[in-house]
Amino acid sequence: AQKITQTQPGMFVQEKEAVTLDCTYDTSDPSYGLFWYKQPSSGEMIFLIYQGSYDQQNATEGRYSLNFQKARKSANLVISASQLGDSAMYFCAMRETNNAGNMLTFGGGTRLMVKP
Amino acid sequence: DTEVTQTPKHLVMGMTNKKSLKCEQHMGHRAMYWYKQKAKKPPELMFVYSYEKLSINESVPSRFSPECPNSSLLNLHLHALQPEDSALYLCASSQVAQGYNEQFFGPGTRLTVL
Repeated sequence: AQKITQTQPGMFVQEKEAVTLDCTYDTSDPSYGLFWYKQPSSGEMIFLIYQGSYDQQNATEGRYSLNFQKARKSANLVISASQLGDSAMYFCAMRETNNAGNMLTFGGGTRLMVKP
Repeated sequence: DTEVTQTPKHLVMGMTNKKSLKCEQHMGHRAMYWYKQKAKKPPELMFVYSYEKLSINESVPSRFSPECPNSSLLNLHLHALQPEDSALYLCASSQVAQGYNEQFFGPGTRLTVL
C-alpha cells in the first residue's frame, strides 16, 4: 500500500495567487514527521517545511504553510503569493524513524507551473 | 556550512566501465544516504549509513557498491552498469537522533549509461 499519495501530477497557478498541493499519508506509527521538498529542474531537493505528528499548530515558513489535518491523514502545502521561481516539482515525504536515521518515503510528486 | 556536495555533476559511462560518485558534508551528520531518481519519479532509497556503517541496503544490485570512509564522505562505486541504471543519484545527510531531523540533499549526479 502506498504510504504517501500526491493526487495532483501537475498544477498551474497564476503568479501572485495562492496554491494548495495535496498530500495524504498512511501510517500506524503514532510518532512521525512530514516534510515537503521542492525540486527545481536543476535536481537539488530543497527542504521547505516540516510538521511533526505531535505538533499542535500548523507549521509555517515564510510563504509556505502546512495544512495538517491529522484525523484525515493529510498534510497539504499552501504556497501564498506564487512567484515564477516556484515552478518546480514538489514532493511530500514521511519520516520513519529507526536506529539507522530518519528514512524518508516520498510521494509521487506534483509539478507546479506558475504562469506570469 | 549546510551544504552537501556531490561530484561529478554529470557522468557518462559505458557498461564495462568502473566509476565512482562522491558525496561530502561537513555538518557533523552521522547518517548519510544514497537515493536513485528516475525522470518524473520520486527519489528511491538505495543505502543508509549510520555512524559510518551500512545499516540499510534496499536490495540494490551488487553492481552498486557504497563506501563510507569517514563521517564526512560517502562514495558509490559503479561497475558493469546497465542502461536502465541511468538516473539522477542523490546523496543526503542528517542527524541520527530521533525526532525532527531534516535530510539535507546534494545537487545530485546525472548518470548516463551507454
